[in-house]
Amino acid sequence: DSGVTQTPKHLITATGQRVTLRCSPRSGDLSVYWYQQSLDQGLQFLIQYYNGEERAKGNILERFSAQQFPDLHSELNLSSLELGDSALYFCASSGPGDTQYFGPGTRLTVL
Amino acid sequence: GIQVEQSPPDLILQEGANSTLRCNFSDSVNNLQWFHQNPWGQLINLFYIPSGTKQNGRLSATTVATERYSLLYISSSQTTDSGVYFCAVETETSGSRLTFGEGTQLTVNP
Repeated sequence: DSGVTQTPKHLITATGQRVTLRCSPRSGDLSVYWYQQSLDQGLQFLIQYYNGEERAKGNILERFSAQQFPDLHSELNLSSLELGDSALYFCASSGPGDTQYFGPGTRLTVL
Repeated sequence: GIQVEQSPPDLILQEGANSTLRCNFSDSVNNLQWFHQNPWGQLINLFYIPSGTKQNGRLSATTVATERYSLLYISSSQTTDSGVYFCAVETETSGSRLTFGEGTQLTVNP
């Protein structure tokens, strides 16, 4: 158990819908990262938050947004979903200069 | 951005065999991590190894930063070692985001 929790584990929804994925980092970790794993793109960095502030942005679509709350949990919002958004979404957390620990992931299926 | 190449892409072993997985990267790195993704999809940290050698049980890893590669050794493999092994790196310019290789799919047969 990495200490990073993600909910829900599985999500099945329809095209055009909006979903929210939730992540709680390890106790004490200020950095939260979101990654997407799809069959055609592999594992890709989406976005990083540090202590509530956006720190870095990767290949994140404009339809996707994220935030980190004062209690350090983070949410990834995916809207106007398309079939191609079906993927495994991981959250990771780390301390300063530390290893990133990954949560169990949320498997999103868009039908 | 940095390129991360892993080899071989696929590896099939009999239980008890040893193996070496390789990760080449195209630029200097601040950090390198090895992960095992099990058949249930979970990413498990194996090593944080920007340079040098580390060992953890039957697994060990070596990173030669000056030559831009890392090796993961699995000895006396077990069926539970099956899954995908990823190498991921951080660079000075990329900040703390990880760039992943495409992975090595390992199958250990009984």
